[in-house]
Amino acid sequence: ETGVTQSPTHLIKTRGQQVTLRCSSQSGHNTVSWYQQALGQGPQFIFQYYREEENGRGNFPPRFSGLQFPNYSSELNVNALELDDSALYLCASSTRASGVGDEQFFGPGTRLTVL
Amino acid sequence: KQEVTQIPAALSVPEGENLVLNCSFTDSAIYNLQWFRQDPGKGLTSLLLIQSSQREQTSGRLNASLDKSSGRSTLYIAASQPGDSATYLCAVDQGGKLIFGQGTELSVKP
Repeated sequence: ETGVTQSPTHLIKTRGQQVTLRCSSQSGHNTVSWYQQALGQGPQFIFQYYREEENGRGNFPPRFSGLQFPNYSSELNVNALELDDSALYLCASSTRASGVGDEQFFGPGTRLTVL
Repeated sequence: KQEVTQIPAALSVPEGENLVLNCSFTDSAIYNLQWFRQDPGKGLTSLLLIQSSQREQTSGRLNASLDKSSGRSTLYIAASQPGDSATYLCAVDQGGKLIFGQGTELSVKP
């Protein structure tokens, strides 16, 4: 158990809808990252939040957005869902220390299916 | 652009065998390298983390090495067990952003 939780476990949406996925980080972890993992692929970095500010973004369009809250919870929002958004969405938390790579702890993921 | 490659894509071995999983990366400017295990449909479990200044890390039957200059890492699993069956992913950390390989799917037969 990493102490990182995600909700919901599974979600089914239709094309064009909007979705919010939630993550609760380990206490004391000030950094949360989100990843998208398509079937049979490695996870792809979406973006990272550090102390409630976006701190780096991967190759994902603006319809992917996020929020991080002071209580170690965070959200991933996806607007105008497309079929290709179907994937496992993973959040990871860490304690960011300048100049040192910190271990990232992953949650169990949310499986999103877009029909 | 950093690219991470894992070979082989799939591996099937009999129980008890020692095995090596390979990971290569194109850009040596990394903070660390992590090995993860993923069971089907589940999240990632961190196995070992090697900082860029380190050469290897060990945990139980697992040993991971890192050669930054050649852009390579190996994960050695000793005395494999059926419970080791899973997908193994390596990832390099570039400033908090993890770049993953596509994984090696391991099957250990009883």
